[in-house]
Amino acid sequence: QSALTQSASVSGSPGQSITISCTGTSSDVGDYNYVSWYQQHPGKAPKLLIYDVTDRPSGVSSRFSGSKSGNTASLTISGLQAEDETDYFCSSYTSSGHVVFGGGTRLTVL
Amino acid sequence: QVQLQESGPGLVKPSQTLSLTCNVSGGSISSGTYYWSWIRQHPGGGLEWIGYIYYSGSAYYNPSLKSRITISVDTSKNQFSLELSSVTAADTAVYYCARDRTGYNAFDIWGRGTMVAVSS
Repeated sequence: QSALTQSASVSGSPGQSITISCTGTSSDVGDYNYVSWYQQHPGKAPKLLIYDVTDRPSGVSSRFSGSKSGNTASLTISGLQAEDETDYFCSSYTSSGHVVFGGGTRLTVL
Repeated sequence: QVQLQESGPGLVKPSQTLSLTCNVSGGSISSGTYYWSWIRQHPGGGLEWIGYIYYSGSAYYNPSLKSRITISVDTSKNQFSLELSSVTAADTAVYYCARDRTGYNAFDIWGRGTMVAVSS
């Protein structure tokens, strides 16, 4: 399958909200509510932020929220903080029973 | 607290087979609802799902890699393994093992990752 499409970069000022989008197809993002979002700091393993489109694992800040419309999923980070500056990846379960990731978005906090 | 740890050679020659093992500690690999996964990340690149396995041995593979992959599980040792055959330089990556908490793409626990270079 092709990777999900994410914008390469996004930026925002401290305290603001930003949204990262993730576009797939009717065979993945559009077909199931099984979209996840990960945060990855340099040299570290990814951290699960959101799963099943909107659910947050225990311990993840409520500043992170997820949504989906059609074939596009979104991650919103509210109250931006300097520590949020890093890479974010989306992923989706597919109709073939596999998993596909997005190419990643680099968030810059201005 | 469940922890995952990858192990295996950091250098593999072209055309050979890459073999990695993920040791699961702090919990049983046979706990019913989890799928045990391999994911890789090329240098400076995005993440690529390789495949995952259930404790019963049922495995699911990335179609683009399927002909070269074998993922197996050893419940007696509480570990699972990856074999990737006929490697090329394109297989150079950081390889992560991870736990999928739902079986539908929710990788909640990750190993630290192990860098594998393919070079003669």
